[in-house]
Amino acid sequence: AQSVAQPEDQVNVAEGNPLTVKCTYSVSGNPYLFWYVQYPNRGLQFLLKYITGDNLVKGSYGFEAEFNKSQTSFHLKKPSALVSDSALYFCAVRDKKDDKIIFGKGTRLHILP
Amino acid sequence: ETGVTQTPRHLVMGMTNKKSLKCEQHLGHNAMYWYKQSAKKPLELMFVYSLEERVENNSVPSRFSPECPNSSHLFLHLHTLQPEDSALYLCASSPGRGLATDTQYFGPGTRLTVL
Repeated sequence: AQSVAQPEDQVNVAEGNPLTVKCTYSVSGNPYLFWYVQYPNRGLQFLLKYITGDNLVKGSYGFEAEFNKSQTSFHLKKPSALVSDSALYFCAVRDKKDDKIIFGKGTRLHILP
Repeated sequence: ETGVTQTPRHLVMGMTNKKSLKCEQHLGHNAMYWYKQSAKKPLELMFVYSLEERVENNSVPSRFSPECPNSSHLFLHLHTLQPEDSALYLCASSPGRGLATDTQYFGPGTRLTVL
């Protein structure tokens, strides 16, 4: 059965520092991987996705993520954090064979001024 | 704005009430979704509609009844709910037919409280 894990409930980063939000997955076939962000009182917004091709995926608002097949990870990164990046981040995986999407429980990112 | 609207934004109902949540997408998408978001739990996919046909039902209790009259509108009819059904209900749409590679566009959600 496929699964996705976000091991950190919360991540605190000082403004201007690089940030990483972790995501690992388990699927039986080739994964499709997504990152979404949720700001307070809003729905989820798409950030980026990995379908195939280059392992480094660039997305909205300066975010990027690297698909690492050997470590089954898809960590979200940004070189320099902004206070406005503070939000709830969700990783999601979709198994090409199973075709069901599963979301992680989310990681709350706090960027400290 | 993502082009997906949900009404009402907040709803309080008793366990014997019947109410409906409405979702409308203005993006010309083919697939629509209902999700349940509870505190400290993963987002739960409830239903998927592709071209107005239900293609996924993830073991959701029958007290939740979806309806998709056309590709732009999606409803979630609620009756005899339980307090544990209190959550944020999110609607989403995607351009494809619910394909695995689709990007989903989410509405702002309806915050439901069951007393």
